[in-house]
Amino acid sequence: DGGITQSPKYLFRKEGQNVTLSCEQNLNHDAMYWYRQDPGQGLRLIYYSQIVNDFQKGDIAEGYSVSREKKESFPLTVTSAQKNPTAFYLCASSTLDSNTEAFFGQGTRLTVV
Amino acid sequence: GEDVEQSLFLSVREGDSSVINCTYTDSSSTYLYWYKQEPGAGLQLLTYIFSNMDMKQDQRLTVLLNKKDKHLSLRIADTQTGDSAIYFCAESDALGFQKLVFGTGTRLLVSP
Repeated sequence: DGGITQSPKYLFRKEGQNVTLSCEQNLNHDAMYWYRQDPGQGLRLIYYSQIVNDFQKGDIAEGYSVSREKKESFPLTVTSAQKNPTAFYLCASSTLDSNTEAFFGQGTRLTVV
Repeated sequence: GEDVEQSLFLSVREGDSSVINCTYTDSSSTYLYWYKQEPGAGLQLLTYIFSNMDMKQDQRLTVLLNKKDKHLSLRIADTQTGDSAIYFCAESDALGFQKLVFGTGTRLLVSP
């Protein structure tokens, strides 16, 4: 089945540690995105990538890093510089056409203690 | 910058119609979307409307767009308990690339 997979579903980390969230898609999509979701604030774009080895900052990139070494993979690292990392993180992918939908993963809930 | 706003909460009884509203500020929006998010899950696209349309109907869903007022609504007919979820409005002004700006989400609670 084609789709987009995030892992793990739940992640706990100690404050000050870096943590990497996985996102894989087998839809052959060129574009991939990371969003952060906080209660009552909707989704905010962290980073996006349109092509392998290239990515762009979104609205809230500080404290995060990404890589796009393969078309199907777009991991997100939450660094110790991110002041408030506890959140629900959603990965999405789409083609580069303007009239297509973005497909979302099931999300990773990160809790930093 | 772009801004998309929604009311946070809506409660209806099963069988009633639900209307979820959204306002946006970007006049260059090309596509406007409605996504549904069930608890602890990702987002599922329900429907979308192109900015040169006024209305789109898809089974129980009706989307109305007032481009002059930058107002979008989603009407769910015969609302069921399974419709309880968070509904996000989103807009895109992409040309060849989709970068969505999301609203804050409206939590719909359907009671029996």
